[in-house]
Amino acid sequence: GAGVSQSPRYKVTKRGQDVALRCDPISGHVSLYWYRQALGQGPEFLTYFNYEAQQDKSGLPNDRFSAERPEGSISTLTIQRTEQRDSAMYRCASSLTGGTSSVADTQYFGPGTRLTVL
Amino acid sequence: DQQVKQNSPSLSVQEGRISILNCDYTNSMFDYFLWYKKYPAEGPTFLISISSIKDKNEDGRFTVFLNKSAKHLSLHIVPSQPGDSAVYFCAASDSGAGSYQLTFGKGTKLSVIP
Repeated sequence: GAGVSQSPRYKVTKRGQDVALRCDPISGHVSLYWYRQALGQGPEFLTYFNYEAQQDKSGLPNDRFSAERPEGSISTLTIQRTEQRDSAMYRCASSLTGGTSSVADTQYFGPGTRLTVL
Repeated sequence: DQQVKQNSPSLSVQEGRISILNCDYTNSMFDYFLWYKKYPAEGPTFLISISSIKDKNEDGRFTVFLNKSAKHLSLHIVPSQPGDSAVYFCAASDSGAGSYQLTFGKGTKLSVIP
C-alpha cells in the first residue's frame, strides 16, 4: 500500500522567498504531524493535526511558519520569508489514530523534503 | 536540553553477534518509547515500541528493554545481519500531555560487518 508521500523531495530557494511543502498521508489516517530534522539530529516536532483541526502548534519556531490541513487529508507547511537557518529536512508523519500510547498510534514517516535556503 | 539522549553516535558489530543500542531520557513523564530505523534517503521506519507498564517487549530478532528507575532503554538485535545497518532513533512520548509529539534522540549509526 502507499505510504506517506511528500513533495517536492528537494527544494532550493533564495532567502526571503516563501515555500510550501506538501504532505499526503496514508489513506484513512486521522492524525498528521510535521517534524524538522537538522543534520546529525533526530526529528523535532513542529505541529500536529487531528483531522482538519490543528491541535498543537507549539513546535513551530516563529510566525513565519504555518500549516494547514483543510479537508483532513493533504497538509501544507508554509514558510514565509525564508531564512538560511530554515534549511533542514522537513518530515511529515501520519497515524491511524491520535495518541502515542499504542501500536495504533504509530507514526509513519514520509521521505521528507530537503529545503535549502541560499 | 536533550530530553532523549543516545550517547553513542555509532556502533560496529560483527554479523551474527548481538547489537545493543542504548537510550537515556530525562523527562519522568515519558511513558511510551519507540525505536525507529532509518536507511539513507528514506524516512524513519517504526521498529518496535514499549509502554512504561512493561519492562520488555520482543518482536523477532528485536527486543527492547526498559528500566524506568534508571530512565534507560535499550534495543537488542540478535543475531545482527548486514541489512540491519542503518541509523536507529530512540523516541519517547508523554501520552497524558494531550500532545502527541514524539521526542527523538540524535540517533546511533549501526554498521553490521559481514
